[in-house]
Amino acid sequence: DAGVIQSPRHEVTEMGQEVTLRCKPISGHNSLFWYRQTMMRGLELLIYFNNNVPIDDSGMPEDRFSAKMPNASFSTLKIQPSEPRDSAVYFCASSPGGIVGELFFGEGSRLTVL
Amino acid sequence: DQQVKQNSPSLSVQEGRISILNCDYTNSMFDYFLWYKKYPAEGPTFLISISSIKDKNEDGRFTVFLNKSAKHLSLHIVPSQPGDSAVYFCAASAGGAQKLVFGQGTRLTINP
Repeated sequence: DAGVIQSPRHEVTEMGQEVTLRCKPISGHNSLFWYRQTMMRGLELLIYFNNNVPIDDSGMPEDRFSAKMPNASFSTLKIQPSEPRDSAVYFCASSPGGIVGELFFGEGSRLTVL
Repeated sequence: DQQVKQNSPSLSVQEGRISILNCDYTNSMFDYFLWYKKYPAEGPTFLISISSIKDKNEDGRFTVFLNKSAKHLSLHIVPSQPGDSAVYFCAASAGGAQKLVFGQGTRLTINP
């Protein structure tokens, strides 16, 4: 079975530009998570969805960040406008919900904002 | 306010010896704890977990210990192998929620 698929793997953009990260969860998984990894704070939860509905977006840094899950097989994380401090690796993960905390992560999208 | 803390950014261990990775938490509502392993350019993968009703869980070379009174858990790897070189993340969950709070990670290097 295919794992969680994220695109792009690498994105380099200039400050002020819009960035859209994409995620395809594992088929049949009903929960989807967006995490951000930085050296200082490790893996931070930005938002998670359950059955396509946003459940907790308390980790979204500010209004520049938005996430959508229009259907069970696709989610986007958008940053507009982007800033250098947004540079990080963004991970998408999905979960079937059976075992507490067992998340399946994608390979991540490395974002560099110049 | 980091609710889950891994105070050692890195650890170097000789092959064949025991690796001990530590993790502290502050939220007493956490009742399920996990360790994830991450190789470069890959996403984290689930390694082992423990419920707060237990104080030890073992899976092959990996054992997780939980000390609830100290709000501390540790991961023991014995014997350590070169393939264990990776970043290890501690994570916690409250009330059976799928939402996980992760620590900053510890980079483990196993030297031959």
